[in-house]
Amino acid sequence: SYELTQPSSVSVSPGQTARITCSGDVLANKYARWFQQKPGQAPILVIYKDSERPSGIPERFSGSSSGTTATLTISGAQVDDEADYYCYSATGYALVFGGGTKMTVL
Amino acid sequence: QVQLVQSGAEVKKPGASVRVSCKASGYTFTNNPIYWVRQAPGQSHEWMGWVNAGTGDTKFSQSLQGRLTFTRDSSANTAYMDLSSLGSEDTAVYYCVLRLDNLDYWGQGTRVTVSS
Repeated sequence: SYELTQPSSVSVSPGQTARITCSGDVLANKYARWFQQKPGQAPILVIYKDSERPSGIPERFSGSSSGTTATLTISGAQVDDEADYYCYSATGYALVFGGGTKMTVL
Repeated sequence: QVQLVQSGAEVKKPGASVRVSCKASGYTFTNNPIYWVRQAPGQSHEWMGWVNAGTGDTKFSQSLQGRLTFTRDSSANTAYMDLSSLGSEDTAVYYCVLRLDNLDYWGQGTRVTVSS
């Protein structure tokens, strides 16, 4: 089991909004981060500090957090957004990860 | 532009050791920590440890302590991860991750396969 809990899968049609949650006690006082991972590719950070978006990440990616749950929202999902999404957080020197959510766009 | 380039895939026999390198560019190597993370097939990610690229201070996952070593060559802007006494459970993709100004940059990953 993982310290952060995510749904195993989510499915949306192109143009719809996808929401992926991430729950864990550590999020009560630590920031959530999210990355996108496609098969055979390096992870790409899409959200940090709960809701900040790195340069180059499309505006349709947004994040929020309340209590012990963080949420990644992809507004107007595109076929190219189909990937695995993982949340994680830093606790001191360590990183804790969610189990990942497979997002299908079809 | 910040970049982390890792060494190529490895195939090792049980009981052997492996070294994975992570060459950094685009920032001051010694100013920032590097995490090491691995992902076994079909699994999520596991934090392995952390190294301060400037001082060499290290922290290790309890489950890997004793088998894991982190070193770095500041002149080459390269961090190294050595894992010994490999078993099948160590088959995974290994990543180095740089935290710089609150952003995380991931290496492309190194696949390590442990098989007899």
